[in-house]
Amino acid sequence: NAGVMQNPRHLVRRRGQEARLRCSPMKGHSHVYWYRQLPEEGLKFMVYLQKENIIDESGMPKERFSAEFPKEGPSILRIQQVVRGDSAAYFCASSPIGRGTEAFFGQGTRLTVV
Amino acid sequence: TQLLEQSPQFLSIQEGENLTVYCNSSSVFSSLQWYRQEPGEGPVLLVTVVTGGEVKKLKRLTFQFGDARKDSSLHITAAQPGDTGLYLCAGIIQGAQKLVFGQGTRLTINP
Repeated sequence: NAGVMQNPRHLVRRRGQEARLRCSPMKGHSHVYWYRQLPEEGLKFMVYLQKENIIDESGMPKERFSAEFPKEGPSILRIQQVVRGDSAAYFCASSPIGRGTEAFFGQGTRLTVV
Repeated sequence: TQLLEQSPQFLSIQEGENLTVYCNSSSVFSSLQWYRQEPGEGPVLLVTVVTGGEVKKLKRLTFQFGDARKDSSLHITAAQPGDTGLYLCAGIIQGAQKLVFGQGTRLTINP
């Protein structure tokens, strides 16, 4: 999983600010997943994207959260007007083909809202 | 509703013992993966199984995919303290396009 790069590793935001989390997939991978993990819990699916397309966003909260994966550059998970409940670890995974293949994870971004 | 049920959720055993972790679903999966996650890190892929009945071995770890591709198990022989971590099963439901995860099994091996 060393090939999937997430930054920053740690992010502190005050309530009401915006958080931008970046994910650069492994070379040759055109599909990206975002997951959220609360302390002591498993991973919850948020959104699945391929370049310039959102394939499945059924796990994304309806408000304040958005994701993109442009033709050039990293995938971005954006959280507007953060609240304390947004504090979590956010993981990105990438795969070369979306369906039925292995996904490799980055090291995550730990968001703390104060 | 949890699509993948892992059991047990917590397991603490002594070094040298054997253990099995289960991952069950009512859905059929086109593939299923096992990951291990250490504190502060992302999940690391251990194995992928795709064929019903498939068995894969990774040193002391044995992974099995159920014949109907609805369940899987991870068996560890002679557990060591280095095996401590969170073990996650994940799969792609047949016909779907997203990876769904179980809740995880938090394994502690005591020296």
